[in-house]
Amino acid sequence: QSVLTQPPSASGTPGQRVTISCSGSSSNIGSNTVNWYQQLPGTAPKLLIYSNNQRPSGVPDRFSGSKSGTSASLAISGLQSEDEADYYCAAWDDSLNGPGFGGGTKLTVL
Amino acid sequence: QVQLVQSGAEVKKPGASVKVSCKASGYTFTSYYMHWVRQAPGQGLEWMGIINPSGGSTSYAQKFQGRVTMTRDTSTSTVYMELSSLRSEDTAVYYCARDPYYYDSSGYGNPLYYFDYWGQGTLVTVSS
Repeated sequence: QSVLTQPPSASGTPGQRVTISCSGSSSNIGSNTVNWYQQLPGTAPKLLIYSNNQRPSGVPDRFSGSKSGTSASLAISGLQSEDEADYYCAAWDDSLNGPGFGGGTKLTVL
Repeated sequence: QVQLVQSGAEVKKPGASVKVSCKASGYTFTSYYMHWVRQAPGQGLEWMGIINPSGGSTSYAQKFQGRVTMTRDTSTSTVYMELSSLRSEDTAVYYCARDPYYYDSSGYGNPLYYFDYWGQGTLVTVSS
């Protein structure tokens, strides 16, 4: 059972904008920053967004993150076929005393 | 460039132990914390614990307390994760992942608990 809740799937067509939600509680998102990871098929996860809305160098500005209260979201604009991947949100959880993850969202580019 | 290279796949019987290695290069090994994260087949990510490669101190997720041991060898810039009393539910890909918080001899500070570089993963299969 994941501490953060994500929709299991999302989809969009090339060029579209899609958003992926991540819902938590006061013990995680409500009091800590959120990070996002992209996992392409058969590969290790890659850091996509850190500290709610910061992009590591090399991550296109098509990817953006936001947080409000106990929820966060990842937005991908100008969707491309290579964006097809699993996306995970994560945040420190006071109850776990460690980082907790969402269950992941599989993004399909139609 | 930062690289984390892990050891190869393992097949273990229930009750056995497994030790996975992660060799770091491209940065100062003793200036960044290292985490271990696992992913069961078709499932999400799960944090297992963290090690300070400089002093060797560790902190483990409660779920793995008593079964996991994380160590390091500074002479080879390698961290290790050993999981004991294996059961079928431990079948997973195990990743080492670096924490981006930099520390030097002036003090350790607090890790950031997110992961900027990942190893390629090591599949551990537990089966009788």
